[in-house]
Amino acid sequence: DTGVSQNPRHKITKRGQNVTFRCDPISEHNRLYWYRQTLGQGPEFLTYFQNEAQLEKSRLLSDRFSAERPKGSFSTLEIQRTEQGDSAMYLCASSLASGLDGYTFGSGTRLTVV
Amino acid sequence: DAKTTQPPSMDCAEGRAANLPCNHSTISGNEYVYWYRQIHSQGPQYIIHGLKNNETNEMASLIITEDRKSSTLILPHATLRDTAVYYCIVRGTTSGTYKYIFGTGTRLKVLA
Repeated sequence: DTGVSQNPRHKITKRGQNVTFRCDPISEHNRLYWYRQTLGQGPEFLTYFQNEAQLEKSRLLSDRFSAERPKGSFSTLEIQRTEQGDSAMYLCASSLASGLDGYTFGSGTRLTVV
Repeated sequence: DAKTTQPPSMDCAEGRAANLPCNHSTISGNEYVYWYRQIHSQGPQYIIHGLKNNETNEMASLIITEDRKSSTLILPHATLRDTAVYYCIVRGTTSGTYKYIFGTGTRLKVLA
């Protein structure tokens, strides 16, 4: 297993377009987390899944954002009608159910909205 | 809001120990202290965690005060590769407290 994989690494889109990011977690990890990070700030929590169930969503996750983890394996994060303020690094992480041994983060998808 | 406070930046000479402090005065009894670091353009990397005892692994040591209100991450022999932003996080073990709340971290610069 090569860790948490995120695709694409970079995405440039025009304002108003929809974008979708994919995260493939470590195979035996049943928790999956999405974070967003803007320049100079720490990552901000967006949402997390235990298997296919989305257990918590941040108020940062507006109606334009949706995340899925249909079979409890990979996850997608979709942003509809992108705005310039959505420009950020989107990070995915996974962990075992307890999470006590820490999260493994992917390298992120950098979104630029022009 | 993050439950931890850290100095915004620190410098350390290469080969010397880097001691990064963190205050978490409102920590609860079942909350763990985690440390991560983030090298530019990469995702955060797990370093170490602890509950109340001091911990050591191949990367670092974690010293937690007896009252658990503060901790120090020690990189025993800092190298240039240790230049990164270091985050101290408090995390619970009950539903609703699993997620990490990151602050702005400490930007450590290791100087040659």
